[in-house]
This record gives sequence, C-alpha cells and structure tokens, in this order.
Amino acid sequence: DTEVTQTPKHLVMGMTNKKSLKCEQHMGHRAMYWYKQKAKKPPELMFVYSYEKLSINESVPSRFSPECPNSSLLNLHLHALQPEDSALYLCASSQVRLVTYEQYFGPGTRLTVT
Amino acid sequence: AQTVTQSQPEMSVQEAETVTLSCTYDTSESDYYLFWYKQPPSRQMILVIRQEAYKQQNATENRFSVNFQKAAKSFSLKISDSQLGDAAMYFCAYRSGRNYGQNFVFGPGTRLSVLP
Repeated sequence: DTEVTQTPKHLVMGMTNKKSLKCEQHMGHRAMYWYKQKAKKPPELMFVYSYEKLSINESVPSRFSPECPNSSLLNLHLHALQPEDSALYLCASSQVRLVTYEQYFGPGTRLTVT
Repeated sequence: AQTVTQSQPEMSVQEAETVTLSCTYDTSESDYYLFWYKQPPSRQMILVIRQEAYKQQNATENRFSVNFQKAAKSFSLKISDSQLGDAAMYFCAYRSGRNYGQNFVFGPGTRLSVLP
C-alpha cells in the first residue's frame, strides 16, 4: 500500500472559522510533511514531522497549527485564516532512514478562504 | 542553500514523439538525490524517476529516462513515445543525503502538453 490519503478533498471556510485537515498513511513512514501549493507553482514546505516530533517549521503563521497524534496521522488545524491562504494543501510521507528518500504525496485538500 | 532551476515553463510534444525537460541545480554537497515528479491536472504528485548522485548510470523507468551530468549539475528528463496521459506539470526536486527526514527543494516546474 503506497497511498497517502487526505480529507476533505475540498474545504471552504470563513475567516473566523476553525477547521482541520487530515492526512493518513499506512506505509510505516516516520516522516510526514505539510506543503502549501499555489496554482502553477511548486509546493512550498510548511512543516516536517520526524518520529512524531516537529523537526521543521518554515516560519509558518501561527494560524496554522500542525499535530501528529501518531506515526500514521498528521493534522493541520486552521484558525482565523486569510483569503491569501487559499491554496492546495498537500500532505506527504517518507521513510526516514532509507537510501531512496522519495516522498509519497496525497491528493491534497483544496482550501478556499472567504 | 540548494536551488533547482527549470528553464522551460512550458513545453509541448506531439503524441508518440520524444521530449526532454531540463533541470539544473546548485549544491556544494556530494551526497544527494534527484527526482522528477509529475502532477497531472487531477493534482496528485507522482514520482516518475529518481537518481542517486553516487550512481554514474542514468536511471530509466520504462519510457522515462534521465541524463544525469553531475559535473554540470544537470538532470534532464526524457520522455519517449509520449502519450496523452503524460500531459502534466513536471517538477524536478533535490534532496540532501546528509539529513534524513528533511525537505525537498523543488524547481518551479515545466508544464508539458501532449498534442494528438
């Protein structure tokens, strides 16, 4: 099973709402990632979790709050977002100590902030 | 810091023909990995091919092959016998071999159109 799943597929939220994005993988990967992708642009790294601990936070505003409850799950909690936060949010996972190091991506959540 | 450049924002190819997408990168490291990812309009990023920097032999996966020139820091992707399903955004990516569990550096992408 080489699948990363993300829910929901689409999300529309107001600037005062609180919502969460979810990501799950069952490949035994111990590194998980959140990316933000704007149209026609490459993914921009937001957070990296390694062995369920936050190892990279790329200066993301505090209105984005990641959580890694266990080795298979990754959440991204959203609060008081701005319209410019509208984007495709991608989750990915990878082995930590494996020579190939490729990341497996989920299908993404299309977020619209109104 | 490492950087990845893809100088062709858009490319097109006739169905069944061959196309080459360019990628160059800048690094001072000797141990690293290079990847090509494909993102079709359905948006899921899919790994196309990978290359370990310590391997001299160019990677090949069916119709996809790379031309890895380590000294020139070049990593181009050749797609042979192009198919309509190859139409997508292609991203070149670099990953350091030093720090496990660390991030990729993506290039800006090349949008490939396949003409019937």
